[in-house]
Amino acid sequence: DQQVKQNSPSLSVQEGRISILNCDYTNSMFDYFLWYKKYPAEGPTFLISISSIKDKNEDGRFTVFLNKSAKHLSLHIVPSQPGDSAVYFCAAQGKTSGSRLTFGEGTQLTVNP
Amino acid sequence: KAGVTQTPRYLIKTRGQQVTLSCSPISGHRSVSWYQQTPGQGLQFLFEYFSETQRNKGNFPGRFSGRQFSNSRSEMNVSTLELGDSALYLCASSLADYYNSPLHFGNGTRLTVT
Repeated sequence: DQQVKQNSPSLSVQEGRISILNCDYTNSMFDYFLWYKKYPAEGPTFLISISSIKDKNEDGRFTVFLNKSAKHLSLHIVPSQPGDSAVYFCAAQGKTSGSRLTFGEGTQLTVNP
Repeated sequence: KAGVTQTPRYLIKTRGQQVTLSCSPISGHRSVSWYQQTPGQGLQFLFEYFSETQRNKGNFPGRFSGRQFSNSRSEMNVSTLELGDSALYLCASSLADYYNSPLHFGNGTRLTVT
């Protein structure tokens, strides 16, 4: 039972363009969502989060959008840079699960110079 | 401020042995969680500790156990190792005593079981 799904295993974009990574969830109890970036041989690094009371959160080049009715969130990176090339995981948390995160499978983003 | 520190970085063990992994959280963080990452199953939650008490547990067999000390440092133990336990084990800490606080991860311990 995959409660958080990232349907695109990989995404390739040109430097300077927008990267859009998508994530869907099925559990209505999730109300806090996070994006992490992971380089090989390192742990995931927290990027940005959003609470279910919002539909958008921005931090520099990163913006997360949440569509609760569709149970869908997306991460926009503008402009994309080669250093953004990594695996991106979306994760979800619910009130009844403490700090437990449920992760998607990850999307490998490659930004080409 | 130092990040989450995990030791050792790499371990090779034989099937049937046991192993103990260590995690030092970010200073001031009281919640520590453990995750297992494998190519087939992705990132799976093992357990979470807060103030030396296990607060949450994932769907792993009893061979996987953990504990937290009064200084918030944590250890996890896997007994009777199986080949399928080969994975990257990640520790994460968070500031708040409950949810809506991002987890910050260490670089993990790569366990190989032969």
